[in-house]
Amino acid sequence: QSALAQPASVSGSPGQSITISCIGTSSDVGGYNYVSWYQQHPGKAPRLIVFDVSKRPSGIASRFSGSKSGNTASLTISGLQTEDEADYYCSSFTSRSSFSVFGSGTKVTVL
Amino acid sequence: QLVETGGGLVQAGGSLTLSCVGSGFMFRNYDMTWVRQAPGKGLEWVCVINGRGGSTQYADAVRGRFSISRDNSKNTLHLKMNSLRVEDTATYYCATANYATFEFWGQGILVAVSS
Repeated sequence: QSALAQPASVSGSPGQSITISCIGTSSDVGGYNYVSWYQQHPGKAPRLIVFDVSKRPSGIASRFSGSKSGNTASLTISGLQTEDEADYYCSSFTSRSSFSVFGSGTKVTVL
Repeated sequence: QLVETGGGLVQAGGSLTLSCVGSGFMFRNYDMTWVRQAPGKGLEWVCVINGRGGSTQYADAVRGRFSISRDNSKNTLHLKMNSLRVEDTATYYCATANYATFEFWGQGILVAVSS
């Protein structure tokens, strides 16, 4: 199954807000509220930052927020900080042959 | 905590088995998954197994070649990889799974397949 579509890169200055989109279909993002987002720093394992579209795990800063409209999910980082520079991936449950599908990934650069 | 072992270099067509030991949580209560990441590429979901080990699912790219299993008495997850291809080269992560939510991750283990 094809990966969910994400922009290759997004950038912003410290303190600004950025939004990363994750475009799927009615078989995945649009059909279920099981969208999650992961942050990955170079050489590290991914870290869950948002699950079930808009919920944050314990310990995740409130500046990370998720939402969904139709077949598109979004991750917003408000008050961008230098440590937010990383790769970000969305993931969704899917009713197709696979169990889950990841997005193509977005590199966030803090200017 | 999740710790993967068993990675390394293998020739195309060969086999390798990865293991993942969980600690600090009730291992048997969690579905478990493998996710891989080719060098410089994005994340790719590989397979999942339910808590009891009776139900499994695989990505199209590995179905028929990879087999996921678990031993709850040893808090251990396994991934048996057969007929390995160069394109299977990746860092393999084990993680807890709940639909599309992968909450706890291992540190990853590198599998390199040479031609």
